[in-house]
Parts: sequence; structure tokens; C-alpha cells
Amino acid sequence: GQNIDQPTEMTATEGAIVQINCTYQTSGFNGLFWYQQHAGEAPTFLSYNVLDGLEEKGRFSSFLSRSKGYSYLLLKELQMKDSASYLCASLDSNYQLIWGAGTKLIIKP
Amino acid sequence: ETGVTQTPRHLVMGMTNKKSLKCEQHLGHNAMYWYKQSAKKPLELMFVYNFKEQTENNSVPSRFSPECPNSSHLFLHLHTLQPEDSALYLCASSQDPGQEYNEQFFGPGTRLTVL
Repeated sequence: GQNIDQPTEMTATEGAIVQINCTYQTSGFNGLFWYQQHAGEAPTFLSYNVLDGLEEKGRFSSFLSRSKGYSYLLLKELQMKDSASYLCASLDSNYQLIWGAGTKLIIKP
Repeated sequence: ETGVTQTPRHLVMGMTNKKSLKCEQHLGHNAMYWYKQSAKKPLELMFVYNFKEQTENNSVPSRFSPECPNSSHLFLHLHTLQPEDSALYLCASSQDPGQEYNEQFFGPGTRLTVL
């Protein structure tokens, strides 16, 4: 079956670094997406990885290892506004997104 | 502002009611999606429309009926719902669902409560 695993909740301190992991098992693979969703709001796109390696975009970076079925989202210099849920999604062979349940990130002062 | 709007934002309905959710995208995209988001569960894809044609129907009960009159508008008609259908219903759009980099743009969702 198809499965996306990510931690349910994480807590980090303002100004610190946090890494949110995601493992995936999907029928075929056409890329890995990360979305951010603040409470009561729409998910918004953060990153897309299809090749192995690290993609950096400001304070956020996303890493992919296709051989391990593994990705992580790295958030640096955490700010209170980064408190949100982070959704991992894998694009399968039918170009359908398979979603994880999301990781709720709590930032403490 | 994501370019995808949904109305209403909140809806409370009884099990015998009929209501409709509306979604509109202003991005010129070709594909539109309905998702169901329940607490602590993955997003569940319900329906996909590509160029107004339904391409996916992921075993959704018939009490949910989609309608896509054009590439910019998408409706979800609801009738005789069950309390377990209470959830956040998200609409999304994308340029082309058959490509690798196919970023989906989401609306803010309709919070549905079925009594």
C-alpha cells in the first residue's frame, strides 16, 4: 500500500533549528512536496524535490533521498510565525499526491 | 491571497439538509480538486477535474456530488450527510495534473459540521 509517515507533533525554541522527517512508500515516485498550513488556513506550497539532495530556500531547506524513501524539511532561525502544521506529500506514478497526516510544529519563546 | 476562494467558510447542517460548497480559482488553471481534511488524518482526495472532465473519484459516497461547469468553478453538492462527514473541505487547483512539478494552490476551506 501507499504510506507517508511523519511525526505528529514537534516542539522547538524560537531562534533554533528543527528538522521534520518524512518517509514515504508509494507506487512509483514523481517528486516530494512540503506544504505549510497555519491553523484555520489553506495549505501553502513550500518546496518540491524530485532529485536527491538538498534544496535551500531562505530559512527553509528540503532534502530528498530516493533510495531511502526519505525526506526532511529543515527550518532555521525559527520564528513564532513558523508555528503551523507541515504536510509531506509524495507524487505517485499516476501523478496523484499521497499525503501524510502532517506535523504540528509548536514554537516556544 | 492564493487565488482560490471558497464559500461558505463555515457551514452547519442537519442530516436531512441539502447544501452546496463553492470554489472559484482565478489562476487560469486547468485542474481542480476537492479534498477532505479530518483532524490528525492525511488529506483525502475526493474528486479531480481536468479541463472540466472528472478524472478521479476516489470511492466517495454518493451523498457527495461534484459539479464543474467550467475550469474556474467547482461545486460540491451535499445531501443526507452523516456526522462523520464533519471535516474541513478544501478545494485546490493546479496547472496540469499530469506533470511532475504540479504545485497545487489551495483555498481556505469550508469547515462543515453535520448535526
